[in-house]
Amino acid sequence: ILNVEQSPQSLHVQEGDSTNFTCSFPSSNFYALHWYRWETAKSPEALFVMTLNGDEKKKGRISATLNTKEGYSYLYIKGSQPEDSATYLCAPHLTSGTYKYIFGTGTRLKVLA
Amino acid sequence: DTGVSQDPRHKITKRGQNVTFRCDPISEHNRLYWYRQTLGQGPEFLTYFQNEAQLEKSRLLSDRFSAERPKGSFSTLEIQRTEQGDSAMYLCASSSGQGSSGANVLTFGAGSRLTVL
Repeated sequence: ILNVEQSPQSLHVQEGDSTNFTCSFPSSNFYALHWYRWETAKSPEALFVMTLNGDEKKKGRISATLNTKEGYSYLYIKGSQPEDSATYLCAPHLTSGTYKYIFGTGTRLKVLA
Repeated sequence: DTGVSQDPRHKITKRGQNVTFRCDPISEHNRLYWYRQTLGQGPEFLTYFQNEAQLEKSRLLSDRFSAERPKGSFSTLEIQRTEQGDSAMYLCASSSGQGSSGANVLTFGAGSRLTVL
C-alpha cells in the first residue's frame, strides 16, 4: 500500500507570511510527483509536475523542491495572500506499471488578512 | 472543449437507492479516473480507465460500485444500494497519457456530491 503523508494537516498564517509544507512518499521506483491546489468550491488544479532529484519548480510566489532519494517534496509560498487559501495535495507516481495516483491527505492553508 | 464535466453536481438519495454519476473527460484524453473525497481527507482512488479498458480498481471498492467507459469517451459510476457511508464528493479526472510525464497531469471535474439520507 502506497503511503503518502503530508504535513501539517492544516495551517493558519497571516497575510505576508511565508510558509512551507511537506509531502513524504516511498523513495523506491519513483517516476514523478504532482502538486495540486484545491480551492473551496472549485476543482483541484495542477501546480507542478516534478521528476528529477533536486528539481525545483516555481510559479509566481509558489515554489517546490524534490528529493527522490529520501522521498520528500517541499512546497513553499512566499508572502502568502488570502487567495492562496486552499488545500494543497501531492500525488506521487511510481514506476509500478500503473498510472494510478495516490493522493496525500493534503495541507489545508488559511491565510488571514 | 470546456474541460471535464460531471453530472449531476449534487445528488440526495435515500439509503438503499441506486445512483449513477456521469463524467465527460477532455475529448483527447485517453485516461479517466474516479476518486472519492470525504471531509478532511485527500481524494481516494477508486478506479481508472485507459480508453475503454478498466485497468485498476481499488480493493476498498465494494461490489456495490461499478464504473464503465463503454466507448472510451464518457464514463459512468454507479453505486447500488447506497449506504450513508457512501456520502462523499465523487471526483472525475482525465489525462492525455502521452508524451512527457507532464502530459499525465490530471484535469479534474467539479465533482458530484452525494448525500445519502
